[in-house]
Amino acid sequence: GQQVMQIPQYQHVQEGEDFTTYCNSSTTLSNIQWYKQRPGGHPVFLIQLVKSGEVKKQKRLTFQFGEAKKNSSLHITATQTTDVGTYFCAGARLTGGGNKLTFGTGTQLKVEL
Amino acid sequence: DTAVSQTPKYLVTQMGNDKSIKCEQNLGHDTMYWYKQDSKKFLKIMFSYNNKELIINETVPNRFSPKSPDKAHLNLHINSLELGDSAVYFCASRDVGNSPLHFGNGTRLTVT
Repeated sequence: GQQVMQIPQYQHVQEGEDFTTYCNSSTTLSNIQWYKQRPGGHPVFLIQLVKSGEVKKQKRLTFQFGEAKKNSSLHITATQTTDVGTYFCAGARLTGGGNKLTFGTGTQLKVEL
Repeated sequence: DTAVSQTPKYLVTQMGNDKSIKCEQNLGHDTMYWYKQDSKKFLKIMFSYNNKELIINETVPNRFSPKSPDKAHLNLHINSLELGDSAVYFCASRDVGNSPLHFGNGTRLTVT
C-alpha cells in the first residue's frame, strides 16, 4: 500500500533557527496537504499543494511540492515557540473509493528559548 | 460553534469491555472518518463514510464497528477492548474532492 514517510521524526531547535521537514511518498500524488498538531490538540489544516513544482508561502512558512509529485517540504524561517507541534503531510491519491488521504509519519518540532 | 465534536474526551476502561465514541459534525460535509493516533503520533485511517455509506475500511479488527445513522454522525463501537487499543481516536469530516479535513478534539482511550 501507499506509504508516506517524513524526516526527521523529531527536531529540537533554538528559537530563531530555521526548520525543515521532508515528506516522501511511495506513489505519485494528486495533491498534498499539510497539517499542524499542537501538543494535546488535534491536526489543523495549513495548506494544500496541487501543481507539480508548486511553492506557497504563509508568513514564515514555505511549502513546496516536488516536480514528480512524490515529495514535499515545509520550511519554517526563524522559528518561534508558537511553532511547537507535530507537522504532518498528507498525500492524496485517487482510489476506487474516491480521494484517499494518507498521513505522513509526522515531524515533532520543539523550540527552545 | 464546534464544527466536529466527539464524546467523550477521555475514556478509561478495562480489558474486555465494550465502549462507544460518538462524533457529530455541523459543517454539512458528506464524508466522515475515524483516525487512530498511537503514542508515536502516527495517524492511521480506520474508516471512511460518504453520506452514510462505508467507502474505506482499512485493516482494522472486526471488534471495531462504525455506524453512521445520518451523514452528520459517525460513531465508533469497540468490542472486547485490548491493551493495544489504547490511543487517541480522531473523528474528521471533509467536503467533496480534495478539500481539507476538519478534525474533532479527539478521544483519548486508555485500556487497563
